[in-house]
Amino acid sequence: NAGVTQTPKFQVLKTGQSMTLQCAQDMNHNSMYWYRQDPGMGLRLIYYSASEGTTDKGEVPNGYNVSRLNKREFSLRLESAAPSQTSVYFCASSEFKNTEAFFGQGTRLTVV
Amino acid sequence: QQQVKQSPQSLIVQKGGISIINCAYENTAFDYFPWYQQFPGKGPALLIAIRPDVSEKKEGRFTISFNKSAKQFSLHIMDSQPGDSATYFCAASGTASKLTFGTGTRLQVTL
Repeated sequence: NAGVTQTPKFQVLKTGQSMTLQCAQDMNHNSMYWYRQDPGMGLRLIYYSASEGTTDKGEVPNGYNVSRLNKREFSLRLESAAPSQTSVYFCASSEFKNTEAFFGQGTRLTVV
Repeated sequence: QQQVKQSPQSLIVQKGGISIINCAYENTAFDYFPWYQQFPGKGPALLIAIRPDVSEKKEGRFTISFNKSAKQFSLHIMDSQPGDSATYFCAASGTASKLTFGTGTRLQVTL
């Protein structure tokens, strides 16, 4: 089983460009999450989807949008990238709330 | 606002020693407290987790101690090994389906 798969692994964007980070899980999990990881800040929740068809804002949602395309896929979109969005982005999934969350390998995004 | 505070930021322990990482939380609605381990270039992976109905949970060399009244929990790594060198994150969640993470502790185990 692949678990949680993120694409791309690396990306460089120019300020103002847009892009979508893709995430898919093959564990039939209900909940999916997008986090960003910055040095000294830990992992901060951007958006999450408790179940198919629902999405909610996390701690740092500004500048991002999400789509829960189906039970397997949860994408994160940057409409107009800013240097402050330079970070490592992790997608995660869990079967239910308060159960083990499985993380993808991450996407390292640089905005110049 | 930081709902889960983690310390220390970094830790150096000799092989065979005990590594201790502490976390404190504010939200009394939290009822799930996991610890994640992350190696460079990888995503975090669950190490061990506890719920507030017990004060301690042990899995191999890893133990979580939980103090509900003080709103604190800690990770103890016994007989620390070089392979334990990684970044450790505590986390907490409650009724909402979202984990709130601490800022992480970089552990280095020296020979």
